[in-house]
This record gives sequence, structure tokens and C-alpha cells, in this order.
Amino acid sequence: DTAVSQTPKYLVTQMGNDKSIKCEQNLGHDTMYWYKQDSKKFLKIMFSYNNKELIINETVPNRFSPKSPDKAHLNLHINSLELGDSAVYFCASSQGGLRAPNQETQYFGPGTRLLVL
Amino acid sequence: DAKTTQPNSMESNEEEPVHLPCNHSTISGTDYIHWYRQLPSQGPEYVIHGLTSNVNNRMASLAIAEDRKSSTLILHRATLRDAAVYYCILRGYSSASKIIFGSGTRLSIRP
Repeated sequence: DTAVSQTPKYLVTQMGNDKSIKCEQNLGHDTMYWYKQDSKKFLKIMFSYNNKELIINETVPNRFSPKSPDKAHLNLHINSLELGDSAVYFCASSQGGLRAPNQETQYFGPGTRLLVL
Repeated sequence: DAKTTQPNSMESNEEEPVHLPCNHSTISGTDYIHWYRQLPSQGPEYVIHGLTSNVNNRMASLAIAEDRKSSTLILHRATLRDAAVYYCILRGYSSASKIIFGSGTRLSIRP
């Protein structure tokens, strides 16, 4: 009964390929996020969706496209993978809809370790 | 959001209290102070948050200075499982739901 789950856990692929990472949360939350943690361990937000609508879109290459089929799922599709995309990608969710979003707790998934060769 | 400053690393002994400091001298009145931690090979995990008053929960305590320019996360009795990177984060209302992580403090626990 994992709250935020991601698949796959590990992904090894060749440069130029297209790949997807899936995220699901069973907490009934309205808001979901994608974060990237690079080799230097810095965690940066990439995207956020609230009720299937994009609300945060940081400076991320167009090759990255999030898709939210429903509010429990937020998938990340990456086109034309590059070596620099190698990182750990974390999905997270929060309740959303609160008047004070800066008080909300975010719940993170276990991460997807992507290695581009 | 205002920045935070934390020591790069700290060590402590098992079963002893740990005090993790955080400086945030440019904090604004509506910034909440949040702490998350990241255990090895896991996603970040919420620890505690507060605005002005000290806060306690089952994981830790958060002591906030009266001028709010610094705070301290207190683990009352460290266990080996508490070895992690601890992030002190300010979350302002204007940044909405975005969390901006710094480099954190890597806490090691000696058995």
C-alpha cells in the first residue's frame, strides 16, 4: 500500500531513445510533482500538476513532457534521451487546494534511477 | 524564497540527541520553515515544519529563534536509521507549492 509509487525503479537506455516513467499516488491528493536529482545530489523541481492541469513548469527542455491522465497519475515522457538526462527522478504529491500551499507536506516516491549510455 | 545555510556534514553518536542548525537571516514574515530528510537511496521525507513557535512531533522537535533568523532541528535520541541528508527549507506564500532544496546537512551516526 505504497503511497507514491514509481515505475520503473531502474532504467538503462541508449542515447536518442524515448522513454517514460510512471507515477501513481493513492493518497487522494490533487497535486503531483516531478523532481530531478543530479549526480551532485541537487534536487530540483521540474513540473507540477494540480487536478490534471500544469501549474509549475521550470526551465526544462521540451524533450520532457509530463502527462496527467487523471489526478492520481503523473507520467514523465522523455524524448531523444541525452547523457545529461542521467539522474534520479522523484515523483511527489501533496493534498493541494489549501489556501496556504507553503504549509503543505509533499510525499515523495522511491525514485527512478535513469542511466543514459 | 529566502536562502538557508546549513553545515555540510555533522556526526553524532547513537542514542544521543542531535541538534541540526539552520540559518535563514533573510526570512520573511510569511515564510514557513520546513525540514525534510533523505535516507540513502530513498526519496525525501517530511520531518517537521513551523512558523514562529517551537514544534514537536513523533520524529523531531523544531526550535525557532525569536527573531526567526535561525532554527534548529532536534532529534532527541539518534538511531542509525537517522543517518540521512537533512534539508532546511523556507517556503514562502509566493512560491506556492514549489520546494527549493539546498545542499542540506549530511548526518552520520556512530554506533
